[in-house]
Amino acid sequence: DQQVKQNSPSLSVQEGRISILNCDYTNSMFDYFLWYKKYPAEGPTFLISISSIKDKNEDGRFTVFLNKSAKHLSLHIVPSQPGDSAVYFCAANPGTYKYIFGTGTRLKVLA
Amino acid sequence: DAGVIQSPRHEVTEMGQEVTLRCKPISGHDYLFWYRQTMMRGLELLIYFNNNVPIDDSGMPEDRFSAKMPNASFSTLKIQPSEPRDSAVYFCASSPKTARGPDTQYFGPGTRLTVL
Repeated sequence: DQQVKQNSPSLSVQEGRISILNCDYTNSMFDYFLWYKKYPAEGPTFLISISSIKDKNEDGRFTVFLNKSAKHLSLHIVPSQPGDSAVYFCAANPGTYKYIFGTGTRLKVLA
Repeated sequence: DAGVIQSPRHEVTEMGQEVTLRCKPISGHDYLFWYRQTMMRGLELLIYFNNNVPIDDSGMPEDRFSAKMPNASFSTLKIQPSEPRDSAVYFCASSPKTARGPDTQYFGPGTRLTVL
């Protein structure tokens, strides 16, 4: 009963193109969402977040979109760079002190 | 500034043995979290502490798992006895407290556990 789902385990994109990573959640009480990036042999690091009162948040090449009616969020990376190759985790916060993470999507940016 | 420190980085043990994973959170952070990463379930929260007190241990898989935080700068996750299905990467994370709740979480490098 995964409350946060990342249905694409992997994604390959050409350098310079857009990468779109998707995340679905089941609980409408979630009010804060985050994306973390993880390189091999390292811990996840925070990338970008969005509150449920917004539908978009942008930080440089990274933009997160939130569609509350569809319980869906996506991370856009434009343009994609080889250094973006990593595992990306979507996480939701239901207003408590813990995050619920998805299973991750492995992004490979091809040079 | 030192981030979250975990030891050991790798642990290989035999089924039935006791395993202890260690974590030193970032100084001044009020919250400490233990996660387990597997391919099937992604990052699962096992337990978290606030000011050294366990708040939610609902993610701890079974009684073989236990966690302690004797002081603000040290926590352990113990598995006894260990089983092959416990093989995973275990992460510790810490977080400061904000007015809304804990800020973003800062993860350690993880401990890769292999139980033979």
